[in-house]
Amino acid sequence: AQKVTQAQTEISVVEKEDVTLDCVYETRDTTYYLFWYKQPPSGELVFLIRRNFFDEQNEISGRYSWNFQKSTSSFNFTITASQVVDSAVYFCALGSNTGKLIFGQGTTLQVKP
Amino acid sequence: DAGVIQSPRHEVTEMGQEVTLRCKPISGHDYLFWYRQTMMRGLELLIYFNNNVPIDDSGMPEDRFSAKMPNASFSTLKIQPSEPRDSAVYFCASRRDSLYGYTFGSGTRLTVV
Repeated sequence: AQKVTQAQTEISVVEKEDVTLDCVYETRDTTYYLFWYKQPPSGELVFLIRRNFFDEQNEISGRYSWNFQKSTSSFNFTITASQVVDSAVYFCALGSNTGKLIFGQGTTLQVKP
Repeated sequence: DAGVIQSPRHEVTEMGQEVTLRCKPISGHDYLFWYRQTMMRGLELLIYFNNNVPIDDSGMPEDRFSAKMPNASFSTLKIQPSEPRDSAVYFCASRRDSLYGYTFGSGTRLTVV
């Protein structure tokens, strides 16, 4: 069975702090993909990143970075020097080769000024 | 590219009425997904299609829910009869193939009173 666990329900930080959002996944598939989506207060789901199962190289995009470790089945997301505009719900998701995409429960990030 | 288009954006209906939600995927995308988002259950996958054929409808909550995809450019999710517990945001998403991410529509906020 496939499962995505985001253990942190809510995180509150002060602006300029670094914050890491955790994601742990379970799958029996040999081919799979991992995603992060952002849902700002306006409600849309914004794609942030996609990782293939075989690509454990960490990725950095501006203030965002992702750490994928197959050994621990984790795909964590770090925001460096957080800003108020980063306040949102962040979802980790697992995609299979059949096309199915399932989401974790989400982590609500509040960045206070 | 206009993205995934959902209509209506908001729907308020009385319990017992039939509700139809509509989705137009991105042209060329051969996967289409319907999700429901609630505070209690998060983002749930209801059903998904590949090349207009339903692949997995195990997430459809009960027989009151049905989904169709008569052609590559249109899908509907119907609830009949609607109940207050169906109140949620319903998202449609489409995807081209495994090399690409999933694009979500803006969602339909359904309120059943």
